[in-house]
Amino acid sequence: GAGVSQTPSNKVTEKGKYVELRCDPISGHTALYWYRQSLGQGPEFLIYFQGTGAADDSGLPNDRFFAVRPEGSVSTLKIQRTERGDSAVYLCASSLTNGVGGGNEQFFGPGTRLTVL
Amino acid sequence: AQKVTQAQTEISVVEKEDVTLDCVYETRDTTYYLFWYKQPPSGELVFLIRRNSFDEQNEISGRYSWNFQKSTSSFNFTITASQVVDSAVYFCALKDAGNMLTFGGGTRLMVKP
Repeated sequence: GAGVSQTPSNKVTEKGKYVELRCDPISGHTALYWYRQSLGQGPEFLIYFQGTGAADDSGLPNDRFFAVRPEGSVSTLKIQRTERGDSAVYLCASSLTNGVGGGNEQFFGPGTRLTVL
Repeated sequence: AQKVTQAQTEISVVEKEDVTLDCVYETRDTTYYLFWYKQPPSGELVFLIRRNSFDEQNEISGRYSWNFQKSTSSFNFTITASQVVDSAVYFCALKDAGNMLTFGGGTRLMVKP
């Protein structure tokens, strides 16, 4: 079946602009996650959705970052007033469940490489 | 707080050599999960394995094997008879009571022909 998809694959924007990054999870996966990966580092957690609600947004760096998942499937990560330090690869992942037990392995999309000039 | 350490930032081997990637973790929880992911040059993270904290049995899958030792908080990954296609960055990750994966810094493996 289809894996996690993300669009666009690359986004170049200017400092101060607004961007939206889209994630389409694996069908049937209720849990969805956003991570950010800077060059040479491991992914860092941003936000987690269970269904339509943001169950944990403790990783969002500041209030310029926001994410939604209105119908419990596709999610959009929104960044306002972009800064050069926002440049990174933004990864989306989904899993069947989030808790203990089987099905909590996360499957990742190819990422969106964001470059802020 | 949870933490994952991959002390080896880069390893270079010659094809057919065995190589072990180290992973040490910290967590206060008694129930947790450990993962390994592969990130090839294409960039997409590929899930390799999940282990839970109650199952310390080592696992083998083809040329890959994993050694989980709670006594030393380690979850090491061995590739036997390495191949050029194994060249990638490998990440160890932890999931405890929190909602997210906590990743180590990754180990870049280069397998030369």
